[in-house]
Amino acid sequence: EVQLVQSGEEVKQPGESLKISCKGSGYSFSNQYIGWVRQKPGKGLEWMGIIYPGNSDTRYSPSFEGQVTISADKSTSTTYLQWSSLKASDSAMYYCARRNNNWLDPWGQGTLVTVSS
Amino acid sequence: QSALTQPASVSGSPGQSITISCTGTSSDVGGYNFVSWYQQHPGKVPKLMIYEVKNRPSGVSNRFSGSKSGNTASLTISGLQAEDEADYYCVSYTASSSLVVFGGGTKLTVL
Repeated sequence: EVQLVQSGEEVKQPGESLKISCKGSGYSFSNQYIGWVRQKPGKGLEWMGIIYPGNSDTRYSPSFEGQVTISADKSTSTTYLQWSSLKASDSAMYYCARRNNNWLDPWGQGTLVTVSS
Repeated sequence: QSALTQPASVSGSPGQSITISCTGTSSDVGGYNFVSWYQQHPGKVPKLMIYEVKNRPSGVSNRFSGSKSGNTASLTISGLQAEDEADYYCVSYTASSSLVVFGGGTKLTVL
């Protein structure tokens, strides 16, 4: 079974750093893109960016370029989404999803990030 | 502002059909047959409903269908059921560097 399992809920203070993860299994992890999607409470899905674990080719949505870092570790079949200095506006649910050909499936279960002082 | 334009909301009565549009450009929707649709119930993970414009994954009801004309893709749900009430998002491949572009989402209300 193809599966993406994300790390657990995070509660952080403004200015702190954070790295959340998404571990793939059941398929050739290195050979398919993994993307990240943000969903703020009560809002729509927002495309953040995508990485090809095989060569770490990373593309960002213009809205998120410079705001986050997407990385991958082939040896552990894991991709990461990282912030160096969180803001309250980063509070959201974050999903990873495999880009299977040209659609997104499956999706991870989501990681809720809360940034509050 | 999302790159693909969807109506904010649509509604229909049980048994009726509704169509959700998704308008992009020749650099995304119009240029490639790589439009997919996702259903998201409140508090749940998005679910793939249609891929490559008109194909249904195994397990998705044949009441869901997709099409495309020019720069606009459409999702049609026939025989509306209460369980169809959810948010729906279109996604397309884009020739831009980000590779993927989303619609803003449409809230479907079953009256």
